[in-house]
Amino acid sequence: DAGVTQSPTHLIKTRGQQVTLRCSPKSGHDTVSWYQQALGQGPQFIFQYYEEEERQRGNFPDRFSGHQFPNYSSELNVNALLLGDSALYLCASCTRGQGETQYFGPGTRLLVL
Amino acid sequence: AQSVAQPEDQVNVAEGNPLTVKCTYSVSGNPYLFWYVQYPNRGLQFLLKYITGDNLVKGSYGFEAEFNKSQTSFHLKKPSALVSDSALYFCAVRDAYNTDKLIFGTGTRLQVFP
Repeated sequence: DAGVTQSPTHLIKTRGQQVTLRCSPKSGHDTVSWYQQALGQGPQFIFQYYEEEERQRGNFPDRFSGHQFPNYSSELNVNALLLGDSALYLCASCTRGQGETQYFGPGTRLLVL
Repeated sequence: AQSVAQPEDQVNVAEGNPLTVKCTYSVSGNPYLFWYVQYPNRGLQFLLKYITGDNLVKGSYGFEAEFNKSQTSFHLKKPSALVSDSALYFCAVRDAYNTDKLIFGTGTRLQVFP
């Protein structure tokens, strides 16, 4: 049973560029959340997708957007990259419901130069 | 505001000794609490969670955590530490209003010495 997978593993971009990160949820999961983990910090919630719609959003600007596909996989897009966007981006999946455990992927490490 | 605090940046323990990693929380309503572990260059691995029921929760790899409502704490424990337990540990609480959002602490680095 495959867990949560993410691609790519590493990415280097320059300021102002755009980036797309991808996530496939754990088998049987229908909800995908994205988190940003800056160096030395805990993960910060970006947003969550369920039934192909953004359901909940954290305190991130509109430069951060996403999408969920019918097969439950998801993309995170970041436009107009800033140096401060350099971080580990984590995808987590679960089945929708209260208290359900979120399972995390290995992350994509983004470096913005 | 809901929050999680991990007061220790690092915990050092000798192999074979018991370990405790501390976590306190502040939430509205009943807390849903989680512990995750992160190894270098890896994502977060789920260890255990408290939703309701027994205050002592048992999880993966021999870890357990004790929920204490009066002290608003959820400390992670293990009776006998292994060198391979050395990693970064995160405590998290579910946001009461944003129910699938996890709020994480800043993490505690556990170093187990042989």
